[in-house]
Amino acid sequence: GQQLNQSPQSMFIQEGEDVSMNCTSSSIFNTWLWYKQDPGEGPVLLIALYKAGELTSNGRLTAQFGITRKDSFLNISASIPSDVGIYFCAGHGKYSGGGADGLTFGKGTHLIIQP
Amino acid sequence: DGGITQSPKYLFRKEGQNVTLSCEQNLNHDAMYWYRQDPGQGLRLIYYSQIVNDFQKGDIAEGYSVSREKKESFPLTVTSAQKNPTAFYLCASSIQSYNSPLHFGNGTRLTVT
Repeated sequence: GQQLNQSPQSMFIQEGEDVSMNCTSSSIFNTWLWYKQDPGEGPVLLIALYKAGELTSNGRLTAQFGITRKDSFLNISASIPSDVGIYFCAGHGKYSGGGADGLTFGKGTHLIIQP
Repeated sequence: DGGITQSPKYLFRKEGQNVTLSCEQNLNHDAMYWYRQDPGQGLRLIYYSQIVNDFQKGDIAEGYSVSREKKESFPLTVTSAQKNPTAFYLCASSIQSYNSPLHFGNGTRLTVT
């Protein structure tokens, strides 16, 4: 099946710093989704991307759908303590059929913020 | 408010017992899914259902069973045949359209000893 490589695996940053994480794949994706998961809770959708080159913001978060359709990044500006959590990328591969059975998840980036 | 409710939040069982995890949604979504989450492994699809009275195996269906008798409900049974059942289980739903994102419940942590 298709695989997503998400990096970094974890990040230790100071409050106020900007954060950048990304997902890459060897195959083409039709959608990119970014989720955040707080400890002991379910993932919450942050941003959904549907077109190559698309750049979308949600408050301090910005995500882009790579031009090659094989990657996506998520940036968080001016991090605050509540940004702590696990960030997952997910995507529908080009040949996946578009259903959630064809949704591939990255393994997550653990964001830890030091005050 | 619309959403997905999973219960209970924590569940403890003895090895060899079957256990059923509840998932209810009032989003009027056609499709529902069960994922398993283990540390460092991301989310893995167990079963999914795109319509009432129909469901399909995901990547790791062995040792699990589901039913979809109502649109709102998609319970997951972890059977004694599941070799490593201790995990965090997530239920999700989506509208039935191409490339639609999933909406997740808050999970059930199952511990089997």
